[in-house]
Amino acid sequence: EVQLVESGGGLVQPGGSLRLSCEASGILFSGSEMNWVRQAPGKGLEWIAYINYMGSATYYADSVRGRFTISRDNAKKSLYLEMTGLTNDDTATYYCVKEKVQRGRRQYVFDVWGQGTKVTVSS
Amino acid sequence: DIPVTQSPSTLSASVGDTVTFTCRASQSFSNSLAWFQHKPGKAPKLLIYKTSILETDVPSRFSGSGSGTEFTLTISGLQPDDFATYYCQHYETYWTFGQGTKVEVK
Repeated sequence: EVQLVESGGGLVQPGGSLRLSCEASGILFSGSEMNWVRQAPGKGLEWIAYINYMGSATYYADSVRGRFTISRDNAKKSLYLEMTGLTNDDTATYYCVKEKVQRGRRQYVFDVWGQGTKVTVSS
Repeated sequence: DIPVTQSPSTLSASVGDTVTFTCRASQSFSNSLAWFQHKPGKAPKLLIYKTSILETDVPSRFSGSGSGTEFTLTISGLQPDDFATYYCQHYETYWTFGQGTKVEVK
């Protein structure tokens, strides 16, 4: 079964840090481009970070660049998001997301999503 | 990146209705437009990508079309399981989501 399972969410104070993890199963993780997408309460979906299959290229949304770091460990089939300098605006459910590949070509769309892990930034 | 705007923000409908949502951009872009269904507490689900390609196992009552600056998602014969929020997503340099359209029971 194809599955992405996030963990590491919780309550953190403003200015604090948190590390999210995502464990993959049922997919060729080492060949998959991966992302983090979040949804703040009552808001829509927001893409925040991308990492290529080797871990050699990363991109970030302006809202998190310089504060968040995406990384991966292909041997452990795991994706990570290191979050620092957290603010109330970072309160959201964070989703680990795989990019669709078809016939060996990137499709630039997300086809597998985790259930999400909730992060609350509050004093 | 080109922002995308969805309309309406909420749509009231009944089972069996045909409903259409729109995703608009301020500038023309390629067919890199996708649609997702999202229910509270669940993972978003990819329905359509590249404007009109139905994802595997997605019912054929879902269809997508459009070009340039206007793209649409149509559900022909709304089913009870279809009451959810629908998002369009565009890729250019980065990924951008629309604000969502919530389909609620009329």
